[in-house]
Amino acid sequence: KQEVTQIPAALSVPEGENLVLNCSFTDSAIYNLQWFRQDPGKGLTSLLLIQSSQREQTSGRLNASLDKSSGRSTLYIAASQPGDSATYLCAVRNFNKFYFGSGTKLNVKP
Amino acid sequence: NAGVTQTPKFQVLKTGQSMTLQCAQDMNHEYMSWYRQDPGMGLRLIHYSVGAGITDQGEVPNGYNVSRSTTEDFPLRLLSAAPSQTSVYFCASNLQGAYEQYFGPGTRLTVT
Repeated sequence: KQEVTQIPAALSVPEGENLVLNCSFTDSAIYNLQWFRQDPGKGLTSLLLIQSSQREQTSGRLNASLDKSSGRSTLYIAASQPGDSATYLCAVRNFNKFYFGSGTKLNVKP
Repeated sequence: NAGVTQTPKFQVLKTGQSMTLQCAQDMNHEYMSWYRQDPGMGLRLIHYSVGAGITDQGEVPNGYNVSRSTTEDFPLRLLSAAPSQTSVYFCASNLQGAYEQYFGPGTRLTVT
Protein backbone atom coordinates (compact mmCIF):
# COMPACT_ATOMS: atom_id res chain seq x y z
CA LYS A 1 0.00 0.00 0.00
CA GLN A 2 1.26 3.44 -0.92
CA GLU A 3 2.30 5.63 2.02
CA VAL A 4 2.82 9.37 1.51
CA THR A 5 4.68 11.45 4.08
CA GLN A 6 5.11 15.19 4.24
CA ILE A 7 7.80 16.89 6.27
CA PRO A 8 7.67 19.22 8.09
CA ALA A 9 4.12 19.14 9.44
CA ALA A 10 4.28 22.86 10.10
CA LEU A 11 6.60 25.66 9.07
CA SER A 12 6.78 29.33 10.03
CA VAL A 13 9.00 31.70 8.06
CA PRO A 14 9.42 35.47 7.67
CA GLU A 15 8.16 37.07 4.50
CA GLY A 16 10.61 36.99 1.61
CA GLU A 17 12.26 33.68 2.47
CA ASN A 18 12.66 30.90 -0.06
CA LEU A 19 11.42 27.58 1.30
CA VAL A 20 11.14 23.90 0.45
CA LEU A 21 8.36 21.50 1.32
CA ASN A 22 9.01 17.78 1.13
CA CYS A 23 6.88 14.84 0.06
CA SER A 24 7.99 11.22 0.06
CA PHE A 25 6.21 8.07 -1.13
CA THR A 26 6.93 4.38 -0.75
CA ASP A 27 5.79 2.93 -4.09
CA SER A 28 7.58 4.44 -7.08
CA ALA A 29 5.10 3.01 -9.63
CA ILE A 30 3.16 6.26 -9.83
CA TYR A 31 1.33 7.85 -12.76
CA ASN A 32 1.79 11.39 -11.50
CA LEU A 33 2.19 13.60 -8.44
CA GLN A 34 0.09 16.66 -7.72
CA TRP A 35 0.64 19.51 -5.26
CA PHE A 36 -2.39 21.26 -3.76
CA ARG A 37 -3.03 24.26 -1.59
CA GLN A 38 -5.80 24.24 1.02
CA ASP A 39 -6.95 27.35 2.86
CA PRO A 40 -8.72 26.91 6.22
CA GLY A 41 -12.26 25.60 5.79
CA LYS A 42 -11.89 25.46 2.02
CA GLY A 43 -11.41 22.89 -0.72
CA LEU A 44 -8.21 21.99 -2.53
CA THR A 45 -6.68 24.12 -5.25
CA SER A 46 -4.32 22.43 -7.67
CA LEU A 47 -0.89 24.06 -7.88
CA LEU A 48 1.26 21.78 -10.01
CA LEU A 49 0.98 18.37 -11.65
CA ILE A 50 4.11 16.37 -12.50
CA GLN A 51 3.78 13.36 -14.77
CA SER A 52 5.83 10.28 -13.92
CA SER A 53 8.09 10.93 -16.92
CA GLN A 54 8.85 14.52 -15.88
CA ARG A 55 11.45 15.84 -13.47
CA GLU A 56 9.93 19.22 -12.63
CA GLN A 57 7.19 21.73 -13.24
CA THR A 58 7.14 25.47 -12.67
CA SER A 59 4.37 27.99 -12.18
CA GLY A 60 5.30 31.52 -11.18
CA ARG A 61 7.14 31.42 -7.85
CA LEU A 62 6.48 27.69 -7.46
CA ASN A 63 8.71 24.88 -8.66
CA ALA A 64 8.01 21.22 -8.02
CA SER A 65 10.50 18.44 -8.65
CA LEU A 66 10.03 14.68 -8.82
CA ASP A 67 12.55 11.91 -8.26
CA LYS A 68 10.59 8.72 -8.77
CA SER A 69 13.47 6.36 -8.09
CA SER A 70 14.01 7.77 -4.61
CA GLY A 71 10.30 8.35 -3.95
CA ARG A 72 10.60 12.08 -3.36
CA SER A 73 9.13 15.36 -4.48
CA THR A 74 9.85 18.89 -3.34
CA LEU A 75 7.83 22.06 -3.67
CA TYR A 76 10.00 25.16 -3.78
CA ILE A 77 8.37 28.51 -3.03
CA ALA A 78 10.44 31.56 -3.89
CA ALA A 79 10.16 34.91 -2.13
CA SER A 80 7.36 33.79 0.18
CA GLN A 81 4.46 36.17 0.93
CA PRO A 82 1.85 36.24 3.72
CA GLY A 83 -0.73 35.21 1.11
CA ASP A 84 1.13 31.92 0.71
CA SER A 85 0.02 30.92 4.22
CA ALA A 86 -2.02 27.73 3.83
CA THR A 87 -1.70 23.97 4.10
CA TYR A 88 0.12 22.31 1.20
CA LEU A 89 -0.76 18.73 0.29
CA CYS A 90 0.88 16.34 -2.11
CA ALA A 91 -0.92 13.42 -3.73
CA VAL A 92 0.38 10.54 -5.81
CA ARG A 93 -1.61 8.46 -8.26
CA ASN A 94 -1.09 4.69 -8.49
CA PHE A 95 -3.23 3.43 -11.37
CA ASN A 96 -6.78 4.47 -10.36
CA LYS A 97 -6.13 5.42 -6.74
CA PHE A 98 -4.84 8.65 -5.26
CA TYR A 99 -2.93 8.81 -1.98
CA PHE A 100 -2.45 12.00 0.00
CA GLY A 101 0.09 13.15 2.53
CA SER A 102 -1.15 14.81 5.72
CA GLY A 103 0.14 18.19 4.59
CA THR A 104 2.53 20.96 5.63
CA LYS A 105 0.93 23.95 7.33
CA LEU A 106 2.82 27.05 6.22
CA ASN A 107 2.70 30.39 8.01
CA VAL A 108 4.48 33.32 6.37
CA LYS A 109 4.91 36.20 8.83
CA PRO A 110 4.79 39.80 7.57
CA ASN B 1 -18.31 25.75 -16.19
CA ALA B 2 -19.37 25.28 -12.57
CA GLY B 3 -16.63 22.67 -12.11
CA VAL B 4 -17.27 20.23 -9.24
CA THR B 5 -20.24 21.07 -7.03
CA GLN B 6 -21.23 19.46 -3.72
CA THR B 7 -24.36 19.72 -1.63
CA PRO B 8 -25.03 20.28 1.16
CA LYS B 9 -22.20 22.41 2.57
CA PHE B 10 -23.01 21.47 6.16
CA GLN B 11 -25.05 18.63 7.68
CA VAL B 12 -25.77 17.37 11.18
CA LEU B 13 -27.08 13.82 11.57
CA LYS B 14 -28.06 11.70 14.51
CA THR B 15 -26.51 8.26 14.91
CA GLY B 16 -28.34 5.74 12.76
CA GLN B 17 -29.76 8.23 10.27
CA SER B 18 -29.04 7.89 6.57
CA MET B 19 -28.31 10.55 4.01
CA THR B 20 -26.84 11.16 0.57
CA LEU B 21 -24.08 13.63 -0.22
CA GLN B 22 -24.40 14.96 -3.73
CA CYS B 23 -21.57 15.56 -6.17
CA ALA B 24 -21.80 16.75 -9.76
CA GLN B 25 -19.33 17.88 -12.41
CA ASP B 26 -19.88 19.51 -15.79
CA MET B 27 -16.46 18.88 -17.32
CA ASN B 28 -17.29 15.46 -18.85
CA HIS B 29 -14.70 13.79 -16.63
CA GLU B 30 -14.71 10.01 -16.60
CA TYR B 31 -13.09 9.63 -13.20
CA MET B 32 -14.83 10.75 -9.99
CA SER B 33 -13.93 10.04 -6.39
CA TRP B 34 -14.93 10.67 -2.78
CA TYR B 35 -12.54 11.45 0.04
CA ARG B 36 -12.83 12.17 3.72
CA GLN B 37 -10.51 14.50 5.58
CA ASP B 38 -10.07 14.24 9.32
CA PRO B 39 -8.15 16.75 11.51
CA GLY B 40 -4.39 16.46 11.11
CA MET B 41 -4.72 13.88 8.38
CA GLY B 42 -4.58 13.95 4.65
CA LEU B 43 -7.45 12.92 2.44
CA ARG B 44 -8.40 9.26 2.35
CA LEU B 45 -10.12 7.71 -0.63
CA ILE B 46 -13.56 6.23 0.11
CA HIS B 47 -14.85 5.14 -3.31
CA TYR B 48 -14.11 6.00 -6.89
CA SER B 49 -15.59 5.53 -10.35
CA VAL B 50 -13.89 5.33 -13.74
CA GLY B 51 -17.10 5.83 -15.67
CA ALA B 52 -20.87 5.46 -15.58
CA GLY B 53 -21.84 2.10 -14.12
CA ILE B 54 -18.35 1.35 -12.77
CA THR B 55 -17.36 1.91 -9.14
CA ASP B 56 -14.70 0.52 -6.85
CA GLN B 57 -13.55 0.77 -3.25
CA GLY B 58 -10.83 3.00 -1.93
CA GLU B 59 -8.98 2.88 1.41
CA VAL B 60 -11.94 3.45 3.75
CA PRO B 61 -15.16 2.20 2.08
CA ASN B 62 -16.98 0.71 5.08
CA GLY B 63 -20.28 2.41 5.91
CA TYR B 64 -20.56 4.13 2.52
CA ASN B 65 -22.23 3.24 -0.76
CA VAL B 66 -21.90 4.82 -4.18
CA SER B 67 -23.40 4.45 -7.62
CA ARG B 68 -22.70 6.17 -10.92
CA SER B 69 -25.66 6.19 -13.28
CA THR B 70 -24.50 9.23 -15.29
CA THR B 71 -21.13 10.76 -16.15
CA GLU B 72 -22.06 13.95 -14.28
CA ASP B 73 -23.23 12.67 -10.89
CA PHE B 74 -21.59 10.58 -8.18
CA PRO B 75 -23.61 10.52 -4.93
CA LEU B 76 -22.23 9.12 -1.68
CA ARG B 77 -24.68 7.38 0.66
CA LEU B 78 -24.26 6.92 4.37
CA LEU B 79 -26.51 4.01 5.27
CA SER B 80 -26.50 4.29 9.08
CA ALA B 81 -24.45 7.25 10.28
CA ALA B 82 -21.95 6.77 13.12
CA PRO B 83 -19.97 9.40 15.10
CA SER B 84 -16.80 8.02 13.46
CA GLN B 85 -18.12 9.37 10.16
CA THR B 86 -17.89 12.95 11.41
CA SER B 87 -15.55 14.48 8.87
CA VAL B 88 -15.21 16.79 5.89
CA TYR B 89 -16.08 15.05 2.63
CA PHE B 90 -14.62 16.07 -0.71
CA CYS B 91 -15.60 15.00 -4.17
CA ALA B 92 -13.11 15.20 -7.05
CA SER B 93 -13.03 14.51 -10.76
CA ASN B 94 -10.50 14.24 -13.55
CA LEU B 95 -10.14 13.03 -17.08
CA GLN B 96 -9.08 9.41 -17.31
CA GLY B 97 -5.34 9.14 -17.68
CA ALA B 98 -2.65 11.06 -15.87
CA TYR B 99 -4.56 14.31 -15.56
CA GLU B 100 -4.98 16.65 -12.61
CA GLN B 101 -7.84 16.28 -10.15
CA TYR B 102 -10.37 19.03 -9.54
CA PHE B 103 -12.04 19.25 -6.15
CA GLY B 104 -15.41 20.41 -4.91
CA PRO B 105 -15.75 22.77 -1.92
CA GLY B 106 -16.52 20.00 0.55
CA THR B 107 -19.35 18.95 2.87
CA ARG B 108 -18.81 19.24 6.62
CA LEU B 109 -20.72 16.39 8.31
CA THR B 110 -21.26 16.03 12.04
CA VAL B 111 -22.83 12.86 13.47
CA THR B 112 -24.05 13.15 17.08
